[in-house]
Amino acid sequence: DAKTTQPPSMDCAEGRAANLPCNHSTISGNEYVYWYRQIHSQGPQYIIHGLKNNETNEMASLIITEDRKSSTLILPHATLRDTAVYYCIVRVAHMEYGNKLVFGAGTILRVKS
Amino acid sequence: GAVVSQHPSRVICKSGTSVKIECRSLDFQATTMFWYRQFPKQSLMLMATSNEGSKATYEQGVEKDKFLINHASLTLSTLTVTSAHPEDSSFYICSVWGPEWYQETQYFGPGTRLLVL
Repeated sequence: DAKTTQPPSMDCAEGRAANLPCNHSTISGNEYVYWYRQIHSQGPQYIIHGLKNNETNEMASLIITEDRKSSTLILPHATLRDTAVYYCIVRVAHMEYGNKLVFGAGTILRVKS
Repeated sequence: GAVVSQHPSRVICKSGTSVKIECRSLDFQATTMFWYRQFPKQSLMLMATSNEGSKATYEQGVEKDKFLINHASLTLSTLTVTSAHPEDSSFYICSVWGPEWYQETQYFGPGTRLLVL
């Protein structure tokens, strides 16, 4: 199973872009990169996912390097409500019982005013 | 709106009692659901995969007789913590992939906080 490495914490100024890196050097060709976040005492919230192309939605952008060994989640204009733990996950395929998501330690993002 | 609900959101019980936590998929049918546990200041740990109409699959180190899972319908899975002890106090979260025909996004419930006294 491909594992991910993220910095334990980051700070970002309110209104600025937050760039959260993730390394997944052992990722396989058919494994997706997923990003979730968890605000204190809540269930994780889906943000975005991608295979090899860059992706953008209403919440964030996902930039995946050409060799797919790393990616960056970009929150274009961070707000105080974006303070959370951000998890970068490589999707593990388990054919018989559906795909599992294995969470690492994540990055604590603190958005400061 | 919410895709997955959990009940109760918070429960306090005495040591030795059993506690049942419900997880409902609100928007679509789910033949597979997942149960996670999260201790304070730690990440989510997958406990088991709940399969509709068959036995759950437990992760290594998770006692299947301690954490009973029942997935009796396509929208409901229950986790029963039997003979709960203080060390079982944790945040329990369920999730589903959805929808069945397009399983690219996993949705998580709001979680159930269990405190065993």
